[in-house]
Amino acid sequence: DGGITQSPKYLFRKEGQNVTLSCEQNLNHDAMYWYRQDPGQGLRLIYYSQIVNDFQKGDIAEGYSVSREKKESFPLTVTSAQKNPTAFYLCASEIEDNYEQYFGPGTRLTVT
Amino acid sequence: GDSVTQMEGPVTLSEEAFLTINCTYTATGYPSLFWYVQYPGEGLQLLLKATKADDKGSNKGFEATYRKETTSFHLEKGSVQVSDSAVYFCALRGLTGGGNKLTFGTGTQLKVEL
Repeated sequence: DGGITQSPKYLFRKEGQNVTLSCEQNLNHDAMYWYRQDPGQGLRLIYYSQIVNDFQKGDIAEGYSVSREKKESFPLTVTSAQKNPTAFYLCASEIEDNYEQYFGPGTRLTVT
Repeated sequence: GDSVTQMEGPVTLSEEAFLTINCTYTATGYPSLFWYVQYPGEGLQLLLKATKADDKGSNKGFEATYRKETTSFHLEKGSVQVSDSAVYFCALRGLTGGGNKLTFGTGTQLKVEL
């Protein structure tokens, strides 16, 4: 089955630690995205990548980093510089010019 | 910049009631418009879309019409079911400043009761 996988579903970390969230897709989509969702808010774009080895900052990139070494993978690192890292993180991919984004199941990160 | 405004929830309806969730937008030109649905603890799923004025998107009994004159894309369903309980997000795909970006509304929670 084609789709987007995110792991783990729940992640707990201590303040001051970096943590990497996994996102893998087997849809052969070129573009991939990371969003953050907070209660009562819409999704906010963190980073996106339209092609391997290239990525752009979204609206709230501070305290986050990404890499795109393979078409299938777009991991997100939440660094200790992110002031409020506790949130639900969603990864998405999109086929070129289709305008439809397909979302993974999300990772809920809790930092204490 | 681009923005999407949705009616605040939660919206609570009885099964078989008529549903309307309002969505208006601000954007330059003719953006593409979307409705996504999020079930508890899950990611978002595309529900329907419209890419030009007067287009009607439809799926699973839900409909929305792209109204350029009122900059709206209201979601409707004639008869809701308990299984429709979820959070619904209106979104637009703009044409300016990073054209691949989706701008989302804050979401409207729908609760359908027996």
